Amino acid sequence: SAVISQKPSRDICQRGTSLTIQCQVDSQVTMMFWYRQQPGQSLTLIATANQGSEATYESGFVIDKFPISRPNLTFSTLTVSNMSPEDSSIYLCSVEGEPTSALNNEQFFGPGTRLTVL
Amino acid sequence: AQSVTQLDSHVSVSEGTPVLLRCNYSSSYSPSLFWYVQHPNKGLQLLLKYTSAATLVKGINGFEAEFKKSETSFHLTKPSAHMSDAAEYFCVVSDQADSGYALNFGKGTSLLVTP
Repeated sequence: SAVISQKPSRDICQRGTSLTIQCQVDSQVTMMFWYRQQPGQSLTLIATANQGSEATYESGFVIDKFPISRPNLTFSTLTVSNMSPEDSSIYLCSVEGEPTSALNNEQFFGPGTRLTVL
Repeated sequence: AQSVTQLDSHVSVSEGTPVLLRCNYSSSYSPSLFWYVQHPNKGLQLLLKYTSAATLVKGINGFEAEFKKSETSFHLTKPSAHMSDAAEYFCVVSDQADSGYALNFGKGTSLLVTP
């Protein structure tokens, strides 16, 4: 399985500021995903991030609010911009096993970043 | 469009009794289905997955799920609950129609196990 780490693990931020969350994988992966889990809720996909192309955002999420970088096959960042208390959530990155591997069609999740906006 | 519906937001069972967590799916294509578990303050862990092989899927910790196409269901079961099974469980669907294999999560079922 893929080992995924996220930084920071948690943060408390002021309204109007921005936070960049990092996701590091221990192997090269084609597809990475960013999810949000609001308090007491399920996970919602924010965007899909493939190396070398623009991220694809789901309905309700825009690049200006959640810019994403994917500079190489083991790393991605998600920025939560101009934060408000409604952005308080756990943000998780995940990766998909490579199609040629036994882990095809299986996703692995990072530990999450718990964000609180005051 | 793909979606899952978890029929119970909360399930309570006594230790040692069977567990049934219900999930129905909707998918335009041949779906892949998963069950994930999330323990308090811990990350998501894959319990099991169905990807068009055997319809009865066995997972970790004694859990299993049966894919029933005629009923569009993928219920999660365990013969005997353990206290450590108390957690949030998510039924998840994925298919190739959307961006890659992005997952679509159900709202979750909170499993409570009482002594």
